Amino acid sequence: SQTIHQWPATLVQPVGSPLSLECTVEGTSNPNLYWYRQAAGRGLQLLFYSVGIGQISSEVPQNLSASRPQDRQFILSSKKLLLSDSGFYLCAWNRAFSGYEQYFGPGTRLTVT
Amino acid sequence: TQLLEQSPQFLSIQEGENLTVYCNSSSVFSSLQWYRQEPGEGPVLLVTVVTGGEVKKLKRLTFQFGDARKDSSLHITAAQTGDTGLYLCAGATAGNQFYFGTGTSLTVIP
Repeated sequence: SQTIHQWPATLVQPVGSPLSLECTVEGTSNPNLYWYRQAAGRGLQLLFYSVGIGQISSEVPQNLSASRPQDRQFILSSKKLLLSDSGFYLCAWNRAFSGYEQYFGPGTRLTVT
Repeated sequence: TQLLEQSPQFLSIQEGENLTVYCNSSSVFSSLQWYRQEPGEGPVLLVTVVTGGEVKKLKRLTFQFGDARKDSSLHITAAQTGDTGLYLCAGATAGNQFYFGTGTSLTVIP
């Protein structure tokens, strides 16, 4: 069976500090990978998605970047965090070419102070 | 941006009542998913609908995809406290991108 991991679970960072959130998927190969941000009690905003190693598409220009150094690893980064970067970050995967459904990780709660 | 609007945004009902949540868009999607999310956790997939007019039932939950594949509804019969959570719809495009709705926060009061 497939599992998706995210870490850390929670993070408190000062404004201007760097960020690195990691997501890994087990039990599948060549998945599509996604990063979302969610405001409290609201829908998900798609930030980045990737269909393969080194292939990143950005939906929203912002202070964040993403990388996919390995097939099942997806990293969300920032060089300098802003207060507005606070939120709940979710990683998701689905099967390439035939995946209607997405499967989500447990999320990372980021608070920028 | 393909916007999906959900209504109502908040819903508080008594246990045993019925409810319907709507998900509307001006865009056509290849498929539409419904998820439920508990606080502090990732969304969990409930159902996928693919064909216009399709109806799927999951115990007390009934999901319908609009004929034009632009909208969907979720109907819950005899709500239970365990149904409490944030309900999210998501439309998928042929390019495998997903656009999430604005969310409906449901509270079922015992």
